[in-house]
Amino acid sequence: GDSVTQMEGPVTLSEEAFLTINCTYTATGYPSLFWYVQYPGEGLQLLLKATKADDKGSNKGFEATYRKETTSFHLEKGSVQVSDSAVYFCGGSNYKLTFGKGTLLTVNP
Amino acid sequence: NAGVTQTPKFQVLKTGQSMTLQCAQDMNHEYMSWYRQDPGMGLRLIHYSVGAGITDQGEVPNGYNVSRSTTEDFPLRLLSAAPSQTSVYFCASSSTSGRRNEQFFGPGTRLTVL
Repeated sequence: GDSVTQMEGPVTLSEEAFLTINCTYTATGYPSLFWYVQYPGEGLQLLLKATKADDKGSNKGFEATYRKETTSFHLEKGSVQVSDSAVYFCGGSNYKLTFGKGTLLTVNP
Repeated sequence: NAGVTQTPKFQVLKTGQSMTLQCAQDMNHEYMSWYRQDPGMGLRLIHYSVGAGITDQGEVPNGYNVSRSTTEDFPLRLLSAAPSQTSVYFCASSSTSGRRNEQFFGPGTRLTVL
């Protein structure tokens, strides 16, 4: 079946540092790919998505590019803020949405 | 729009008790699903529905029942709660099967089974 593997944390960064969270997927066909963010005590919110190869999703300074050749969808941000502290989930969907295990990001001032 | 709502927010049960977690959405979405979130395990799909009257099992369905009598509601039933069902439960909905569309999540229900 489909599976998503993402970098396990926790990840701790200083404010304004560069962020990369790796995500790779295994699926039949070409699933849509997503990054969701979960702030403490809340449900998941869609951060960005890509529906086909070479698509780049972007939102709130975060970016991820759908790389078919490496089956990857790595999340990046050039300068993180304290308010970015959250758990980030990579997901893929051919039919049912499959999630990675989540990466806890803590950004210190 | 209220989006996806879940009740209750918190619940404590004793082993063997039954209960129903409620989920409702007001976006006329066909697809609804239930996940559980456990530390180190991410989110795992319990059951899902592609429309009223249609449900199917996800990755971890044992111990849970669902039904979908209306488009809006998708309750999750625990028939005989076990400590292994202690978790945070999220309901989600989307306008199609979820392939190309965003899934909207509820705020979650934190369940503890003693």
